[in-house]
Amino acid sequence: GPKVLQIPSHQIIDMGQMVTLNCDPVSNHLYFYWYKQILGQQMEFLVNFYNGKVMEKSKLFKDQFSVERPDGSYFTLKIQPTALEDSAVYFCASSLWGQDTQYFGPGTRLLVL
Amino acid sequence: QQKVQQSPESLSVPEGGMASLNCTSSDRNFQYFWWYRQHSGEGPKALMSIFSDGDKKEGRFTAHLNKASLHVSLHIRDSQPSDSALYFCAASGASSSFSKLVFGQGTSLSVVP
Repeated sequence: GPKVLQIPSHQIIDMGQMVTLNCDPVSNHLYFYWYKQILGQQMEFLVNFYNGKVMEKSKLFKDQFSVERPDGSYFTLKIQPTALEDSAVYFCASSLWGQDTQYFGPGTRLLVL
Repeated sequence: QQKVQQSPESLSVPEGGMASLNCTSSDRNFQYFWWYRQHSGEGPKALMSIFSDGDKKEGRFTAHLNKASLHVSLHIRDSQPSDSALYFCAASGASSSFSKLVFGQGTSLSVVP
């Protein structure tokens, strides 16, 4: 099936530093998403992105978070500065159109110390 | 209050048996439902979607949707050890073109050889 790639798979970072999570979505998909999953808890929506713009974001998408997809390359989630509560697995997803099935990557496990 | 509730929390079935998973929504705006499966250390993979009342069958998997009661179920016949995973129900609303999925807390399925 369609593959979404995420880089890196794991990241350990000191609190207050900046981190960028990278996502390579399915090639012809137009909609991109980030979700956050804390160990043992359910997946929660952070943000979706279409046509170069954030369309919708949740309360979890703090001011320290930003997303972009410069020139059709990686879809990135940047956190600056990081906080302890940002430790989680972050999943990227993409879909062809807004209500289509979302395909998820394997996740980036972020640990903030 | 969780908008998407799954039951049971965990389930164990013998190999070859039938597994039945349930999902109930508390939000009548939800119109589209998906079942995702997540193996340990991986991202969630879409199993099937269901948007209309009634049954939808794909191979060994059958989903059932009752919009009046906001109830969705997934039945796995002839369960295999490889079906052992975390299963998530996810829902989205029709009000927005830019789908954000709301996930349940998951059902952990164990298929015992």
